[in-house]
Amino acid sequence: RKEVEQDPGPFNVPEGATVAFNCTYSNSASQSFFWYRQDCRKEPKLLMSVYSSGNEDGRFTAQLNRASQYISLLIRDSKLSDSATYLCVVEGGSYIPTFGRGTSLIVHP
Amino acid sequence: EPEVTQTPSHQVTQMGQEVILRCVPISNHLYFYWYRQILGQKVEFLVSFYNNEISEKSEIFDDQFSVERPDGSNFTLKIRSTKLEDSAMYFCASRWASNTEAFFGQGTRLTVV
Repeated sequence: RKEVEQDPGPFNVPEGATVAFNCTYSNSASQSFFWYRQDCRKEPKLLMSVYSSGNEDGRFTAQLNRASQYISLLIRDSKLSDSATYLCVVEGGSYIPTFGRGTSLIVHP
Repeated sequence: EPEVTQTPSHQVTQMGQEVILRCVPISNHLYFYWYRQILGQKVEFLVSFYNNEISEKSEIFDDQFSVERPDGSNFTLKIRSTKLEDSAMYFCASRWASNTEAFFGQGTRLTVV
């Protein structure tokens, strides 16, 4: 089983739509969780950290389910500028950020 | 805003040649990483560096690879004898502490011909 798994997509949605991505991880001892965003041929940039209680930042909501070992990202009111690849990052006992393959989002007019 | 800088942005080299990829992490950060991303694939961990030594390395990071922090600011990745399959984007990252946000450089695109 891969350490961090994501549906690669692409998710093709109209502007204004709500879209959700899930990510599963295999190491039950994982401590820290993040969502990063990567634009084409650019570096990954932190979108948000994911806390046990869940957290929200504007149109973005992240949730963690430790029992089922998955994290989610919800994007409300999608904008054209949200088009990117969303990377799930999980950190286990070795404190190495481990990346999923990423989920591609395309927001169209 | 402080940032991680990498040079060069693009390097073309012949198979078998040595390359050195350079990174300047954010100045007060303590943890340093190299990742690579082959085109169309995921970001893969290569090596982490803390307290002037390698703390973890992946199976990709074989004897052809080495890292150095020669002067307290630069952090370099050396590939001794490049292979075609080393062609990828190489990202350097740094952070202040474990479990915190890692900041990535803009990457060096390595093309081995």
